[in-house]
Parts: sequence; structure tokens; C-alpha cells
Amino acid sequence: QVQLVQSGSESKKPGASVKISCQASGYTFSRHAMNWVRQAPGQGLEWMGWINTDTGNPTYARAFTGRCVFSLDTSVSTAYLQISSLKAEDTAVYYCARLDCSGGTCYDFWGQGTLVTVSS
Amino acid sequence: SYELTQPSSVSVSPGQTARITCSGDVLAKKSARWFQQKPGQAPVLVIYKDTERPSGIPERFSGSSSGTTVTLTISGAQIEDEADYYCFSAPDISLRVFGGGTKLTVL
Repeated sequence: QVQLVQSGSESKKPGASVKISCQASGYTFSRHAMNWVRQAPGQGLEWMGWINTDTGNPTYARAFTGRCVFSLDTSVSTAYLQISSLKAEDTAVYYCARLDCSGGTCYDFWGQGTLVTVSS
Repeated sequence: SYELTQPSSVSVSPGQTARITCSGDVLAKKSARWFQQKPGQAPVLVIYKDTERPSGIPERFSGSSSGTTVTLTISGAQIEDEADYYCFSAPDISLRVFGGGTKLTVL
């Protein structure tokens, strides 16, 4: 079965960087794009962007261009989200997710979420 | 910019019908999905392509579309349906957007 397993919670100081991993299993990694979604405390879901797991080409939502970088290690079926120059407002749960449609049917698979806390 | 607008909250009594709307110009041309999120959990897809229900989702969940508005309907809402609901669409081949979310209270 499809599983997305994310790395554990992180606590960082402002100005630092964080790199979150999302390891996929149960399917061919390169055949399905990986999305990243942010949820700040008590707030809604924000689509951050996605990465083509075949070519490695990322697409970022406008609000997440600049300090966010999506990357891959296809040898271990893992997608990464790196955020640099962290600010307090980056405190959030970050999800990786497959949000596919194929053959007329749509599917969703989500990681368990990674809490990133940014505080001095 | 592509925006999807939802009411912040909807409240119904158990057994009543709950309707949650999502509006946006993109919905005139693109279909929508609906996600349910309960506290501390990852979202779950409950409707896709405006009206289709994934396997395992109860029949009381349905979707409809008219013009620039899509609606999630929960017929005979149950206590366990209390959650946040988000609409979602793909304005173009590379972009995706969530609505602001609606808190459904069933009491």
C-alpha cells in the first residue's frame, strides 16, 4: 500500500534552515508528482507547490518562491522540502502529499505531517 | 490570482443537511475536490471532479457544481462529520489552490 513517511518535528531559531523528508513506498516513486502543503497553527491548508519526481522540476506557488526548495533523492524514493532564513511565521505543520488523478479517478495520499517550530 | 472562497463556518444539528459552498472564477472551467480534515489528522479526499465520491466515503457526502460555485452536501450529517472542509482546484496545469476552509459543527 502507498505510504508517505515524513521526518520528525523540528525546532529551529530564526534565520536557520530546515530540511524535511518524505519517504515514499508502495508505488513507483518517479511516476507520481509530490506536493507540499503548509498548515500554520489554527489556519487553513496552503498549497506550496509540487515537484515532478521524474524530471526533478519544481513548481512553487507564488507565496513560497524564494526561501523554499523542493528536491529529490530517487535512489531512496524520498522528496525533500528545505526552507531557509526561517521566520516565526514559518511555524507550521508541513505535509507531503500525492494528489493524483488517473483514468478518471482521483486519489490522495498524505504524509503524517512534520511540525516545524521557529522560535528564539 | 486564483482564489477560492468558502464560508468560515457552518453549523447543523445531527441528521440535518449541511451545505458548504466554494466560489471562484476558476471553477467555471476547472473541477473541484473536497478534503475533510479532523483535528490532528491529515486531510482526506471526500469528493473529486465536483461530484465523484472516492471508495470508502459514505454516500451521505455528495458534490455539485453550478457556474463558479461548487457545493459539498452532507445529507443527514453525523457527529463524526464535524471537521474542517477545504475545496481545492487546479487553475492550470502547474498550479493548485485550496479554499480557506470551513469549520463544520454538528451539534
